[in-house]
Amino acid sequence: DSGVTQTPKHLITATGQRVTLRCSPRSGDLSVYWYQQSLDQGLQFLIQYYNGEERAKGNILERFSAQQFPDLHSELNLSSLELGDSALYFCASSVVPSGGSGANVLTFGAGSRLTVL
Amino acid sequence: AQSVTQLGSHVSVSEGALVLLRCNYSSSVPPYLFWYVQYPNQGLQLLLKYTTGATLVKGINGFEAEFKKSETSFHLTKPSAHMSDAAEYFCAVSGVKAGTALIFGKGTTLSVSS
Repeated sequence: DSGVTQTPKHLITATGQRVTLRCSPRSGDLSVYWYQQSLDQGLQFLIQYYNGEERAKGNILERFSAQQFPDLHSELNLSSLELGDSALYFCASSVVPSGGSGANVLTFGAGSRLTVL
Repeated sequence: AQSVTQLGSHVSVSEGALVLLRCNYSSSVPPYLFWYVQYPNQGLQLLLKYTTGATLVKGINGFEAEFKKSETSFHLTKPSAHMSDAAEYFCAVSGVKAGTALIFGKGTTLSVSS
């Protein structure tokens, strides 16, 4: 158990629908990252939050949005779902190193597998 | 922009043989480099990381990687493969600014045969 909890583990839905994926970071971690893993694209960085605020954006579609709540858990909202959104969605968390630099070691959850039919 | 290229999407070795997984990075500044492993139906786990200092980095499960700036490479090796090493391996790069997200390569699947 990595300490990062993701729910649900599996989700099957239809095209056009909206789903919400939830992530609870490891205790003490202030940063949350969302990644999408698919066979053709590999592991793509979507978005990062730090202590409730958006810190960085990657290849996140406009149909997708995320937020981090005061208790530091995060949700990834996927709307107007398409077949191509079927993928494994990972959440990771980290303790942002103090000071200006330092290796950012990410701890990953087990993922949420989304199937769009 | 930073990027990572993993050469070979699939590598097969025999048990006891050398494991070599290749990773080349692109970065305008000296980056931090990582190797993660993903076992079936699990999340990614950190194997090792390079930040500064010694260019040969030792990780868990007998793996090590060497940072070669002149070749922009960070190849992962293990002298003797074990059946339990079969998994998918990801190389990743990040900037040195605190909290920077990791950019991953597409991964290499390692198969180990007896």
